[in-house]
Amino acid sequence: EVQLVESGGGLVQPGGSLKLSCAASGFTFSSYGMSWVRQTPDKRLELVATINSNGGSTYYPDSVKGRFTISRDNAKNTLYLQMSSLKSEDTAMYYCARMIGAFDYWGQGTTLTVSS
Amino acid sequence: DILLTQSPAILSVSPGERVSFSCRASQSIGTSIHWYQQRTNGSPRLLIKYASESISGIPSRFSGSGSGTDFTLSINSVESEDIADYYCQQSNSWPTFTFGSGTKLEIK
Repeated sequence: EVQLVESGGGLVQPGGSLKLSCAASGFTFSSYGMSWVRQTPDKRLELVATINSNGGSTYYPDSVKGRFTISRDNAKNTLYLQMSSLKSEDTAMYYCARMIGAFDYWGQGTTLTVSS
Repeated sequence: DILLTQSPAILSVSPGERVSFSCRASQSIGTSIHWYQQRTNGSPRLLIKYASESISGIPSRFSGSGSGTDFTLSINSVESEDIADYYCQQSNSWPTFTFGSGTKLEIK
């Protein structure tokens, strides 16, 4: 059974940093591209980072470029999202998802709140 | 970026009725559209990939159609468990995937 379990969310002050993790199991992690998708309080879904299967290629939208870094450890079957210079508009539920063009498996999400 | 417009924002139907959700792309994307269901306090769940391809474990009452810029997700004979938000997502412009704003399904 494919499982994705996120962790690391919390309350952070504006300008702060946080690192999210996503532990994967039930599939060959190193064979799939992975993404982080966030859902804002108004329920909008936004792709915030994507990484290919070997970690050699990454993508970020302009909204987070230069502030967020996606990485993976294929030996540990774990996906990461390092977030810095956080803003109030980064407040959201963060999901990791397996990417096949579509996102066929999602984790349960971890919540980030950016507030003073 | 490719913009996806979902309409209407809210759909209200009676149990047993057929319902259709619309997703329109700002430019032609072939069949690179995918549909998700998100129940209250749940994560998105993939229902249909590449416009009309079924997903294992998804009830057969869910189907998808369309190509180019206009796409439709249909539920044949709505059940109470189908109460959820429904989103479309495009994968034509890799890696700048985008989502629609969603349609909320209510049961009368």
